[in-house]
Amino acid sequence: QSALTQEASVSGTVGQNITLSCTGNSDNIGSYIVGWYQQISHGAPKIVVFGNSLPSGIPDHFSGSKSGTTASLTISGLQPEDEADYYCSTWDYSLSGHVFGTGTKVTVL
Amino acid sequence: QLQLRESGPGLVKPSETLSLTCTVSGGSIISSHYWGWVRQSPGAGLEWIGSMYYSGSTYYNPSLKSRVTMSVHTSKSQFSLNLTSVTAADTALYFCARHKLGSPLENWGQGTLVTVSS
Repeated sequence: QSALTQEASVSGTVGQNITLSCTGNSDNIGSYIVGWYQQISHGAPKIVVFGNSLPSGIPDHFSGSKSGTTASLTISGLQPEDEADYYCSTWDYSLSGHVFGTGTKVTVL
Repeated sequence: QLQLRESGPGLVKPSETLSLTCTVSGGSIISSHYWGWVRQSPGAGLEWIGSMYYSGSTYYNPSLKSRVTMSVHTSKSQFSLNLTSVTAADTALYFCARHKLGSPLENWGQGTLVTVSS
């Protein structure tokens, strides 16, 4: 059972801005840095946001933020190549381990 | 540039032990990072299995803890995963990854598919 809740699916047109959410609690999102991962066709997950920073090589139309126990990933100016599954993840104090979100399928219309 | 590569049998029989190895290149396994395993069952989401430090400190997912052992082989720049008494429910794509304690998983291997079947 996943500890973090995400929307099952989000869609948008090319150029549109979309926001994905990730809801947890004070033991995880409320206390630790959140990572957002892009997974295309069940390939290797790739981290696209580390907290509110972008890893090297990640285009700047991705951005992350957090408020309390909810984290958000915003894709500004949606592109066809952004179509993928997106997962959030963070450390959980009570689990003493990583927890993942349920995953959001992003579709570019 | 750090690279992680998983290796091991693609087919394991029920009740046997699944053994995978992750080879680290482009960086040292002796660092401030932890080395972890994540799996993804067909059509499902990501599940953290466990993480360990090169010195031997480990963290395991409580749901798998009774069946999981991780170890590090510093001289070979490898770390490994053993999962005992496997069933069809352990069929999954297995990824190795690197992270700092309490921080997101930054680097991932390409993954290796393990099928549990007789």
